[in-house]
Amino acid sequence: NAGVMQNPRHLVRRRGQEARLRCSPMKGHSHVYWYRQLPEEGLKFMVYLQKENIIDESGMPKERFSAEFPKEGPSILRIQQVVRGDSAAYFCASSSPGLNEAFFGQGTRLTVV
Amino acid sequence: GQNIDQPTEMTATEGAIVQINCTYQTSGFNGLFWYQQHAGEAPTFLSYNVLDGLEEKGRFSSFLSRSKGYSYLLLKELQMKDSASYLCAVRDRAGNMLTFGGGTRLMVKP
Repeated sequence: NAGVMQNPRHLVRRRGQEARLRCSPMKGHSHVYWYRQLPEEGLKFMVYLQKENIIDESGMPKERFSAEFPKEGPSILRIQQVVRGDSAAYFCASSSPGLNEAFFGQGTRLTVV
Repeated sequence: GQNIDQPTEMTATEGAIVQINCTYQTSGFNGLFWYQQHAGEAPTFLSYNVLDGLEEKGRFSSFLSRSKGYSYLLLKELQMKDSASYLCAVRDRAGNMLTFGGGTRLMVKP
């Protein structure tokens, strides 16, 4: 049973380009969470999704950021027109109803140059 | 909203015991979690408390007092590999998301 899979592990984008981060949850998990972590800081909640639904996006910046979790395929976090301040590690976690623990992926480290 | 505080850094000696404190103020509460994160790696689950008291799991124990908004993680018989960041997180009443503190970076010295 593979864990939470994120790709790519490292992503370099120039300012103004788009970044797409993918997350495949653990088998059987229907809940996906995205977090952002700046160097030397804690994890900041961005968005919580279930299949085809955004449940809570209170941590998502209003502009340039979007997330989806389609019926088939991985969850995607999309950042348009990236800026240097978007450079961070983006972690995805998955869980299922009744499960206390959320399992994290290895993260995608985005560098904007 | 949620506000979670924990010390930024701690240093301890190999073989010793260390206690990492976490205080929280939340509008809703449905459990407190501790995660370990080594540099450049994913957070890994350590413990979960939803009722008051102590939960013991090997060398690690976690305590919760809901009335005081307080938890601690206790690490015994410290090993060099325990050098990592320890993240305290609170789950909201709806049980949807975890709100994390800034993490405590623990350095274990010989």
